[in-house]
Amino acid sequence: DAGVIQSPRHEVTEMGQEVTLRCKPISGHDYLFWYRQTMMQGLELLVYFNNKAVMDDSGMPKDRFSAKMPNASFSTLKIQPSEPRDSAVYFCASSPGQANTEAFFGQGTRLTVV
Amino acid sequence: AQSVTQLGSHVSVSEGALVLLRCNYSSSVPPYLFWYVQYPNQGLQLLLKYTSAATLVKGINGFEAEFKKSETSFHLTKPSAHMSDAAEYFCAVRYNAGKSTFGDGTTLTVKP
Repeated sequence: DAGVIQSPRHEVTEMGQEVTLRCKPISGHDYLFWYRQTMMQGLELLVYFNNKAVMDDSGMPKDRFSAKMPNASFSTLKIQPSEPRDSAVYFCASSPGQANTEAFFGQGTRLTVV
Repeated sequence: AQSVTQLGSHVSVSEGALVLLRCNYSSSVPPYLFWYVQYPNQGLQLLLKYTSAATLVKGINGFEAEFKKSETSFHLTKPSAHMSDAAEYFCAVRYNAGKSTFGDGTTLTVKP
């Protein structure tokens, strides 16, 4: 398997624009997680899915962020409108359904909002 | 609420010296415990994990960690640091099949 695949790897956008980040999890994994990493806040969990259903989105600013998982092999994280404070590295991770299994992370998307 | 504490946001050692990164969890029920490593401009990757089979767990790149229930700890060690070990290290806990809780991370610097 190719691992968790995220696209794009880098994104530079202007404030106010819509940004869509994409993730393809590892086939067969039941869980998908979206994290945001910044120097100030560290690694933050934004939202996670189990079998395509949102389990917890309490870490996600709901006024501008939305996450979807239309099928088991694809998820998006959308920011509209984007703001400079959204600049961060966004990671997608997936894991199997057992608690003793680790999360497999993608390479991340570095988002810069100017 | 489940939580994990990593003592020391920055640790600096000389090449060849012992590496010790500390991790404590807060729970009366032992969780599943993980150490991840993140190299610059990369995602996190698993170093090792404790899943109750053995208290001393060996991972990749010569790292190991010992689960101590009495101390609620899962410290990461490596006998001899190498320059390539410089990275950020995260401890994480998982109690059920849901989300993991990550520590704040420890940046390891290795001096020549």
